[in-house]
Amino acid sequence: RKEVEQDPGPFNVPEGATVAFNCTYSNSASQSFFWYRQDCRKEPKLLMSVYSSGNEDGRFTAQLNRASQYISLLIRDSKLSDSATYLCVVDGNNDMRFGAGTRLTVKP
Amino acid sequence: ETGVTQSPTHLIKTRGQQVTLRCSSQSGHNTVSWYQQALGQGPQFIFQYYREEENGRGNFPPRFSGLQFPNYSSELNVNALELDDSALYLCASSYRSTGEKTQYFGPGTRLLVL
Repeated sequence: RKEVEQDPGPFNVPEGATVAFNCTYSNSASQSFFWYRQDCRKEPKLLMSVYSSGNEDGRFTAQLNRASQYISLLIRDSKLSDSATYLCVVDGNNDMRFGAGTRLTVKP
Repeated sequence: ETGVTQSPTHLIKTRGQQVTLRCSSQSGHNTVSWYQQALGQGPQFIFQYYREEENGRGNFPPRFSGLQFPNYSSELNVNALELDDSALYLCASSYRSTGEKTQYFGPGTRLLVL
């Protein structure tokens, strides 16, 4: 089993749609969780940290369920500019463990 | 922009050669991590440097080695290059403190091994 597993995707949605990404992790000792976005042929960029209480940043909402070792990202009112690969990231021992990413394409 | 820089941006080498990749961390950051990202995959942790010492290593062979300098910049060295080493190499800087894990990535170096 991979340490961080994500929906394989790809997700193709129309503008204005709501889309949700799921991620599970295997290390129950992990304490820090993140979502990064990565545009084609670019470096990953921090989208948001994920807190136990859940957190929201504009159209983006992240949730963490420690008991189920599950993280989610919800994007509301999708924009064309949201098209990217979304990486779920969980801390390990002095390193960060990345999922393979879920590709999102938002179409007009 | 994160302030993390990497050089070179692209590199072509042949099997058996050696390569050195460089990274300058964001101002105020004292930790540098290196990742390898193959096409269609998430980044895989190679190793981390903190205060000029290796502070954790992923599942990579010893021919992957590194350095961190007093100014916190870092190098990744790969000896005896193999075709499978072709990938995007990412450097990420962070400030090591209790509870702070956020990493900021540089633009990466694309390595092609022929």
